[in-house]
Amino acid sequence: DADVTQTPRNRITKTGKRIMLECSQTKGHDRMYWYRQDPGLGLRLIYYSFDVKDINKGEISDGYSVSRQAQAKFSLSLESAIPNQTALYFCATSDITGNYGYTFGSGTRLTVV
Amino acid sequence: GDSVTQMEGPVTLSEEAFLTINCTYTATGYPSLFWYVQYPGEGLQLLLKATKADDKGSNKGFEATYRKETTSFHLEKGSVQVSDSAVYFCALSGKQAGTALIFGKGTTLSVSS
Repeated sequence: DADVTQTPRNRITKTGKRIMLECSQTKGHDRMYWYRQDPGLGLRLIYYSFDVKDINKGEISDGYSVSRQAQAKFSLSLESAIPNQTALYFCATSDITGNYGYTFGSGTRLTVV
Repeated sequence: GDSVTQMEGPVTLSEEAFLTINCTYTATGYPSLFWYVQYPGEGLQLLLKATKADDKGSNKGFEATYRKETTSFHLEKGSVQVSDSAVYFCALSGKQAGTALIFGKGTTLSVSS
């Protein structure tokens, strides 16, 4: 099994729909992150969580919400999807220092039509 | 705030050519620096890292040296292969508590035989 598992891998949804992207990790780390990748823009941080009771907004949190259900699970929701949220979404996890790098999932490709 | 600037691509090389991808950063204090690689259709993988000035990170023939005086962390490889074709991201992790990894916009490398 992968260290970080994201579901679904691909999703097409309609404008205005609510959608949830799920992430689970088996690294035993406290810290988890959601990033969005767009061509030419690199990865931008949406939300991050340093433990189950800690949630922080990132650079581009508007239009998104998150839930940290357990140490191993961190889900991202789009309450009312819009076309400019079409992107590749990555979940990641790290230890408390972050100095050993982050472990990323394989990504969820979301298309909003 | 902290930021990472890396050279724009795409970079197109012939097999066995020398590779340099420039990366400079702006940060408070002395961050940890990383290079990640994203192969087509996959998530990001940690390629190498350096956590203090003058450290050299290396992996799979790639190298990068943490230069505090020029705030740079350029990625180099002496002889690229077709299998090195990917997107490369420079990233930093600030030393301040409560920060997450900040990425550059990525550089696409294409190597032809």
